[in-house]
Amino acid sequence: GQNIDQPTEMTATEGAIVQINCTYQTSGFNGLFWYQQHAGEAPTFLSYNVLDGLEEKGRFSSFLSRSKGYSYLLLKELQMKDSASYLCAVLDSNYQLIWGAGTKLIIKP
Amino acid sequence: GAVVSQHPSWVICKSGTSVKIECRSLDFQATTMFWYRQFPKQSLMLMATSNEGSKATYEQGVEKDKFLINHASLTLSTLTVTSAHPEDSSFYICSALHLAGASYNEQFFGPGTRLTVL
Repeated sequence: GQNIDQPTEMTATEGAIVQINCTYQTSGFNGLFWYQQHAGEAPTFLSYNVLDGLEEKGRFSSFLSRSKGYSYLLLKELQMKDSASYLCAVLDSNYQLIWGAGTKLIIKP
Repeated sequence: GAVVSQHPSWVICKSGTSVKIECRSLDFQATTMFWYRQFPKQSLMLMATSNEGSKATYEQGVEKDKFLINHASLTLSTLTVTSAHPEDSSFYICSALHLAGASYNEQFFGPGTRLTVL
């Protein structure tokens, strides 16, 4: 079957760095998305990786290893507003989105 | 975890025809479902919020007469794209709100429906 795993919840301190991991087993691969979702709001797009390596975008970076079925989202210089759920989703061979359950990130002062 | 399904997974239609997309919550009742649209490499864009038994609430810029939403039961919401045109080609994703407790809820996403209008 198809499966996306990410931690349920993580806690970090303001100003620190946090890495949210995502492992996947899917039938085919056409890219991996990371989304940020604040409670009660629609998810917002953070990154899209289809090739191996690190993509940096400001305070957020996303890494992909297709051979390992692994990605991570790295958040630097954490701010209180970064408290949100972070969703990992993979586009499979049929261009269906397979969603992870999301990681709730709690930022403490 | 809770499962949300969509049907069809993908559809190709001719310009001017209407297409219906179903969103079902398989193991929980969802009084609220959301419909999103996603263009390549872009964010999910919320189109409308669908509440069971009442009219959907559409986001600004989304034509309610073109994107008909029906949430007739606690497990099913449908989105009908009427008189589809090539610019309506997109990835349509639904999600269902699972109220697991008094102050806790989760939103579960469907796998999406890829619509191509020729």
